[in-house]
Amino acid sequence: TQLLEQSPQFLSIQEGENLTVYCNSSSVFSSLQWYRQEPGEGPVLLVTVVTGGEVKKLKRLTFQFGDARKDSSLHITAAQPGDTGLYLCAGVGGGFKTIFGAGTRLFVKA
Amino acid sequence: GAVVSQHPSWVICKSGTSVKIECRSLDFQATTMFWYRQFPKQSLMLMATSNEGSKATYEQGVEKDKFLINHASLTLSTLTVTSAHPEDSSFYICSARPPGSGEKLFFGSGTQLSVL
Repeated sequence: TQLLEQSPQFLSIQEGENLTVYCNSSSVFSSLQWYRQEPGEGPVLLVTVVTGGEVKKLKRLTFQFGDARKDSSLHITAAQPGDTGLYLCAGVGGGFKTIFGAGTRLFVKA
Repeated sequence: GAVVSQHPSWVICKSGTSVKIECRSLDFQATTMFWYRQFPKQSLMLMATSNEGSKATYEQGVEKDKFLINHASLTLSTLTVTSAHPEDSSFYICSARPPGSGEKLFFGSGTQLSVL
């Protein structure tokens, strides 16, 4: 069974601080996705990383895919209150089914 | 971009009644849709894969007679929670992969079910 371990599960920081969320697995994934979910809504795709070692930037968010394609990280620079939400990493496993990490609940205080 | 519409957004029902949740792909055809369940402050757990024109594939531990899935057309999948009980209260979310989107999932807005 493929599993994605995500850490930390909860993070409360001050506006302007930096943070990193990690997503790790013992399995190789062809790609990993990062989603963000607001309360009472469905997750929204932020990025897909496909190539080992790949780095993608989305404004203040930097996503990295590990060289072995078993792990990924999300780094947020100068966090803002608007970044508050649940961040989920996900990967496609057997049967083309998407599995999710436990999620990281981020709260950015003004 | 691809749009997945889910209805209703929230529903409150009495214990013992059945509730139907609809998931529609608005601008693409979806031969497969996925139903997830999410408890408060937890991640998404895959319940079942809905297949157009054939039976749904359920994940281990999910009762197929409890959670009836119908995927009668290429744009509509429905999830019916039968004889709902308070422990079925949860956030249910559907998703689909539009053709050409690779492994990306597009999600509906979710349905918050509260069983009294």
